[in-house]
Amino acid sequence: SQKIEQNSEALNIQEGKTATLTCNYTNYSPAYLQWYRQDPGRGPVFLLLIRENEKEKRKERLKVTFDTTLKQSLFHITASQPADSATYLCALAHGNNRLAFGKGNQVVVIP
Amino acid sequence: GAVVSQHPSWVICKSGTSVKIECRSLDFQATTMFWYRQFPKQSLMLMATSNEGSKATYEQGVEKDKFLINHASLTLSTLTVTSAHPEDSSFYICSTGTSGRTSTDTQYFGPGTRLTVL
Repeated sequence: SQKIEQNSEALNIQEGKTATLTCNYTNYSPAYLQWYRQDPGRGPVFLLLIRENEKEKRKERLKVTFDTTLKQSLFHITASQPADSATYLCALAHGNNRLAFGKGNQVVVIP
Repeated sequence: GAVVSQHPSWVICKSGTSVKIECRSLDFQATTMFWYRQFPKQSLMLMATSNEGSKATYEQGVEKDKFLINHASLTLSTLTVTSAHPEDSSFYICSTGTSGRTSTDTQYFGPGTRLTVL
């Protein structure tokens, strides 16, 4: 069956450090992958999109990698700040014109 | 980027009543909007695709007679939860893609509507 797995445990990290989140998928062949941020009680906000032929994408303090062999994407927040505390969702575009979302991984940045 | 609004932001209703949720695209025209539902600590689940001027397309397992979708204009889609029951309590979120067409585009999400059915 198809799965998108993100760590269910919250990531607690000290301010200034790099937070790294993992998104693993099974039985998908996505042409691209997206990352969203979701704050409690709010809709998700788009952060980054990476295509299958791209190894890495950066936007300000964010970096995403995409390894189609490992079926994995890593999401990094460098120099993390308390304002980065949120839940981060990965989403895959798949064959029947749908976006499938992971459950998200919560990040808590400790001042 | 596009701004999507939803109204109301939260609603509490009695079991058996119907609730209408509005989703508006404020600064661009969307031929297609998407409705998601999210239970606590769960992923967003696509419920249906709302198509301007035509019938909505529902995902497998979503009752079209229970979740009525109307997309009357290029900037407004409504979701009506009919005869709501406590198990319908959830966070309902709409979105539209950058092209206004496909769900696999980068999505602009509304702020969500928290529905609580007593």
